[in-house]
Amino acid sequence: AAGVIQSPRHLIKEKRETATLKCYPIPRHDTVYWYQQGPGQDPQFLISFYEKMQSDKGSIPDRFSAQQFSDYHSELNMSSLELGDSALYFCASSPITHNEQFFGPGTRLTVL
Amino acid sequence: GNSVTQMEGPVTLSEEAFLTINCTYTATGYPSLFWYVQYPGEGLQLLLKATKADDKGSNKGFEATYRKETTSFHLEKGSVQVSDSAVYFCALKAGGSQGNLIFGKGTKLSVKP
Repeated sequence: AAGVIQSPRHLIKEKRETATLKCYPIPRHDTVYWYQQGPGQDPQFLISFYEKMQSDKGSIPDRFSAQQFSDYHSELNMSSLELGDSALYFCASSPITHNEQFFGPGTRLTVL
Repeated sequence: GNSVTQMEGPVTLSEEAFLTINCTYTATGYPSLFWYVQYPGEGLQLLLKATKADDKGSNKGFEATYRKETTSFHLEKGSVQVSDSAVYFCALKAGGSQGNLIFGKGTKLSVKP
């Protein structure tokens, strides 16, 4: 069965650089969620989209922005990167009628 | 606000031992409850879920029952295996089908042969 695809899987950036993370949801899933998991921490909700519109916002820094495109893939744009942004970034997708979220393998971002 | 409290780990068990990981929640309304598992170096996999009071979720020998009276969703397995070693997250989803997940802090389980 198709799963959520995230790219890249690993990313190394310097402080103050920018990064773009991509998420390709499971086909026919119209809702996308982004989570951030710091080392040894629980995942924290950042932002979600339904039908290309932002549906909810969590603890996403102002330096980050995201969008969902017409093909339902989503991108998380991160600017002015800080050391504390080093984390695993998960994308999850869900059909609107479903309670269950399906997670991608994550992108591990390291900021040096 | 909504929150999840999980027993802290790490938990170390011998193979075939009984496992309980406690999870309690605070939420308005009637949340859906989930257990996710994260194997080393991997993403989050849904282990089981329950969407209303008294529902029992089960999968791969794991079980959890949605207890509204005690606001709990404890994870149990009768006989753990080495391959069950992972981090287990209890989570709730409030606010309907579009709601985001709120996770507990996670419990690391190590099973020794």
